Amino acid sequence: SAVISQKPSRDICQRGTSLTIQCQVDSQVTMMFWYRQQPGQSLTLIATANQGSEATYESGFVIDKFPISRPNLTFSTLTVSNMSPEDSSIYLCSVRDIGLYGYTFGSGTRLTVV
Amino acid sequence: KNEVEQSPQNLTAQEGEFITINCSYSVGISALHWLQQHPGGGIVSLFMLSSGKKKHGRLIATINIQEKHSSLHITASHPRDSAVYICAAPLNEKLTFGTGTRLTIIP
Repeated sequence: SAVISQKPSRDICQRGTSLTIQCQVDSQVTMMFWYRQQPGQSLTLIATANQGSEATYESGFVIDKFPISRPNLTFSTLTVSNMSPEDSSIYLCSVRDIGLYGYTFGSGTRLTVV
Repeated sequence: KNEVEQSPQNLTAQEGEFITINCSYSVGISALHWLQQHPGGGIVSLFMLSSGKKKHGRLIATINIQEKHSSLHITASHPRDSAVYICAAPLNEKLTFGTGTRLTIIP
């Protein structure tokens, strides 16, 4: 299975600022997914990041708030822009892979906005 | 109505007890995933199964495709098993997640 390195693992940010989260995969993968998990909630898909094209956003998520880059098949970033306390969540990246489990997840970024 | 539902939401048990977590889904799927989320937030894939039963150490996952139901069992539970367990199903090529079961094992 693929191995994902996600950074940072946690951060405390001031409202109105932006944070960029990085995911590095140890192998080339076609599809990368970004999720948000609000406190006490299940995971919600923000967008699917495809190399060479714009990310596909789910209903309720917009590019201006969550810009995504996917410069190659092993790397992606998610930026949480103009943050407010409501953005306090865990953010995770994930990839589909051909390994035993079908999907591999990053270690998560725990974001607190104050 | 969520397309993937789990029960129970919370489960507290004594060390050594046999644990069962249930997952039901409402549409046909190719496979079901069981995931484990630790307090730091990271998620580990435990199983992907499309039929029958899989076993890894003290963890056993079963699925009944006809009944659209899966169970995750933990034998001889240990405090280190304390985590949130999540089932997930690929719907329209995207994973849909259950609400999770918060498991606490008391020494």
